[in-house]
Amino acid sequence: AQSVTQLGSHVSVSEGALVLLRCNYSSSVPPYLFWYVQYPNQGLQLLLKYTSAATLVKGINGFEAEFKKSETSFHLTKPSAHMSDAAEYFCAVNSGGSNYKLTFGKGTLLTVNP
Amino acid sequence: DTEVTQTPKHLVMGMTNKKSLKCEQHMGHRAMYWYKQKAKKPPELMFVYSYEKLSINESVPSRFSPECPNSSLLNLHLHALQPEDSALYLCASSRFLSNQPQHFGDGTRLSIL
Repeated sequence: AQSVTQLGSHVSVSEGALVLLRCNYSSSVPPYLFWYVQYPNQGLQLLLKYTSAATLVKGINGFEAEFKKSETSFHLTKPSAHMSDAAEYFCAVNSGGSNYKLTFGKGTLLTVNP
Repeated sequence: DTEVTQTPKHLVMGMTNKKSLKCEQHMGHRAMYWYKQKAKKPPELMFVYSYEKLSINESVPSRFSPECPNSSLLNLHLHALQPEDSALYLCASSRFLSNQPQHFGDGTRLSIL
């Protein structure tokens, strides 16, 4: 079985501050992990993915995430928030198996204050 | 611009109507997905097609009927929907039914009167 827990349904930061969105996963096999972003009235856009290569993954828009097996975590960070980063962020896991279903966390809404 | 195109963007229909949602991708992907997303919730998987064959049906009510006429197209036929079916319907595709990332369209916002 696989699951994802995103700590904090709402994170608020000031423009220029560090962004840290937390994601912990549960998987019985080595997971593939993803972060998606959803802007209002849009679909989900892939930010980055972990596929068992480098543990530090760089994505689009200056975001990166680090896979830590010992902590079963895959937290998303960005050194300096921009107003345009305000959106809903979803962490997701796909551990393979017979159906390769993608399991999403409940999402974290990021607001950026001027 | 997304590489998965969904039409229409918005749809309002009565409970007795029949309508269809359409999804198209030209990335050569062989797995396609339908998700339902309610406000402030993550997407919920409805159906998965792999090589144009239905691979997963997440116990979706029969008033939703998927169809995959070819490798680029995915339809979702709607009939006798209920008000609780109002949601954002997202289509996604991936290279194969695997761990590969899924690419999402912008969705169809469906409202049932």
